[in-house]
Amino acid sequence: GESVGLHLPTLSVQEGDNSIINCAYSNSASDYFIWYKQESGKGPQFIIDIRSNMDKRQGQRVTVLLNKTVKHLSLQIAATQPGDSAVYFCALGQEGSQGNLIFGKGTKLSVKP
Amino acid sequence: GAVVSQHPSWVICKSGTSVKIECRSLDFQATTMFWYRQFPKQSLMLMATSNEGSKATYEQGVEKDKFLINHASLTLSTLTVTSAHPEDSSFYICSVDRRQGLTYEQYFGPGTRLTVT
Repeated sequence: GESVGLHLPTLSVQEGDNSIINCAYSNSASDYFIWYKQESGKGPQFIIDIRSNMDKRQGQRVTVLLNKTVKHLSLQIAATQPGDSAVYFCALGQEGSQGNLIFGKGTKLSVKP
Repeated sequence: GAVVSQHPSWVICKSGTSVKIECRSLDFQATTMFWYRQFPKQSLMLMATSNEGSKATYEQGVEKDKFLINHASLTLSTLTVTSAHPEDSSFYICSVDRRQGLTYEQYFGPGTRLTVT
């Protein structure tokens, strides 16, 4: 069956440091990967995505790395800020198909000032 | 991106009553919307896919007669929790599917906190 998990359920970092959040998946058919940020009491917010034909994609202060060989996805946040404190979810989907995102369990990121 | 709203943002109801939650796509027409449920400190679980003008598709284990979904227009989907019980207390989140090139991207609403007493 499909499963999406995270290596670290909680992550505490110092403000200004870089954060790395990991996600492992098992479904080889997944070819679209997304990271979402969810603040307390709010809906998930899209951060960045990556297709399976790429292994790296960069956004503003964020980088997503995809290793299809070992089915591993990571989100790197540079110069972490207090406003980055939230729960981060990876989600898997399939290009060309609607919906049916499978969400990971989430990692809570706490940024210490 | 896409702007999605939900109403109400929170609701408290008594056991046995029904509650309707609205999900609106504010800046584009959404033929497909999704309803998720999230228990405290857990991930999002897809409940059903709401298709405009047709019946919703429910995930395994989700009772379609208990969670009624109506997608009557391209901008509105509603989820009605019928005969609510305390175990239905949860955070209900909708999302809209918007095509961007070859990929459908999902944009989420702010969620509705349901508490059943």
